[in-house]
Amino acid sequence: AQSVTQLGSHVSVSEGALVLLRCNYSSSVPPYLFWYVQYPNQGLQLLLKYTTGATLVKGINGFEAEFKKSETSFHLTKPSAHMSDAAEYFCAVRMDSSYKLIFGSGTRLLVRP
Amino acid sequence: NAGVTQTPKFRVLKTGQSMTLLCAQDMNHEYMYWYRQDPGMGLRLIHYSVGEGTTAKGEVPDGYNVSRLKKQNFLLGLESAAPSQTSVYFCASSGGQGGSGYTFGSGTRLTVV
Repeated sequence: AQSVTQLGSHVSVSEGALVLLRCNYSSSVPPYLFWYVQYPNQGLQLLLKYTTGATLVKGINGFEAEFKKSETSFHLTKPSAHMSDAAEYFCAVRMDSSYKLIFGSGTRLLVRP
Repeated sequence: NAGVTQTPKFRVLKTGQSMTLLCAQDMNHEYMYWYRQDPGMGLRLIHYSVGEGTTAKGEVPDGYNVSRLKKQNFLLGLESAAPSQTSVYFCASSGGQGGSGYTFGSGTRLTVV
């Protein structure tokens, strides 16, 4: 069965610091991997996704993530945090044969001035 | 360019009352989904549909029913609301295979008292 684990329900960084949000998955077949962002009182917005090909994926707002099969990880990074990055971030996994997206429990990013 | 529209945005129900949440998408997507979001639990799949006239159970289907009579609409019903169904409900749609991300609605905040 597929599952997604996000380490850290809350991550706090200073403005301008590196952002690292961790995601590990379990899947019996090569997965499709996604990161979504949710701003307060809004729906989820796709940040980036990995399907096939290049393992370093670039997304919107300067975020990127690297698929590491050997570590079953898909961590999200951004070199320099901005106040507007404060939100909740969800990692998700989907198999090609499945119609369902499985979400992690989310990580709330706090950005300190 | 509406995407996925959910109505209503907010609702307060008394225990035992019934209601229907409506999800409409204008992207001609085949697949539609209902999730609930609770603090610390991420998003959990309630029901989903892989095409007009089809529905299937997700991870937490008890207490909910769904219908997909038209391709663009996916209805979520609560026949007898319970306080445990207090949550934020999100509808999403997807157009293709596993590499397709989801497009989310802005959510319905439901409180059952």
